[in-house]
Amino acid sequence: NAGVTQTPKFQVLKTGQSMTLQCAQDMNHEYMSWYRQDPGMGLRLIHYSVGAGITDQGEVPNGYNVSRSTTEDFPLRLLSAAPSQTSVYFCASSTRTHSETQYFGPGTRLLVL
Amino acid sequence: GQQVMQIPQYQHVQEGEDFTTYCNSSTTLSNIQWYKQRPGGHPVFLIQLVKSGEVKKQKRLTFQFGEAKKNSSLHITATQTTDVGTYFCAGLGFYYDMRFGAGTRLTVKP
Repeated sequence: NAGVTQTPKFQVLKTGQSMTLQCAQDMNHEYMSWYRQDPGMGLRLIHYSVGAGITDQGEVPNGYNVSRSTTEDFPLRLLSAAPSQTSVYFCASSTRTHSETQYFGPGTRLLVL
Repeated sequence: GQQVMQIPQYQHVQEGEDFTTYCNSSTTLSNIQWYKQRPGGHPVFLIQLVKSGEVKKQKRLTFQFGEAKKNSSLHITATQTTDVGTYFCAGLGFYYDMRFGAGTRLTVKP
């Protein structure tokens, strides 16, 4: 199993551009989530999904959209990038809920100029 | 909303010394998880505590969950250079809200 994979590893955007961060898992996990990690602030939950077709907002959802059309994939869309979205983004998955072991992807480092 | 505070922010120790990081929640937690993140890496799950007063050990690591389920600690005995990284706690409330602490960055001098 590849576990949780994320692409790209690194991305530079200009303010106002849009892009999609990809996340996929091959463990048949129901629960998937997106976090952003900023220095000194730990990880903050952006959006999560408890299964295909079901998504919900986390702590910091503004400026981001998600969808979950399949169990495997959970893309994160930045609608109009802003410098405040410069961060490292991690996708995670777990069997059913985030009260179980979460497996994190390698992360995407995003720089918005 | 639920807040999770973690201290200290940084800890530098000599190899062989002990290390402890503390996690405190503003609200009672359903459970708490601990993760380790190596420099440049991603968080890796270490353990989950669920019961009030629970204590779990993994080799040199000891995890505790407070009686009131509002605080937790991670203690490493006789640190090694392989322990270097940032340790995060993540508290799960009773309404599916999870909050990560800011983490404690541990450096170990050989």
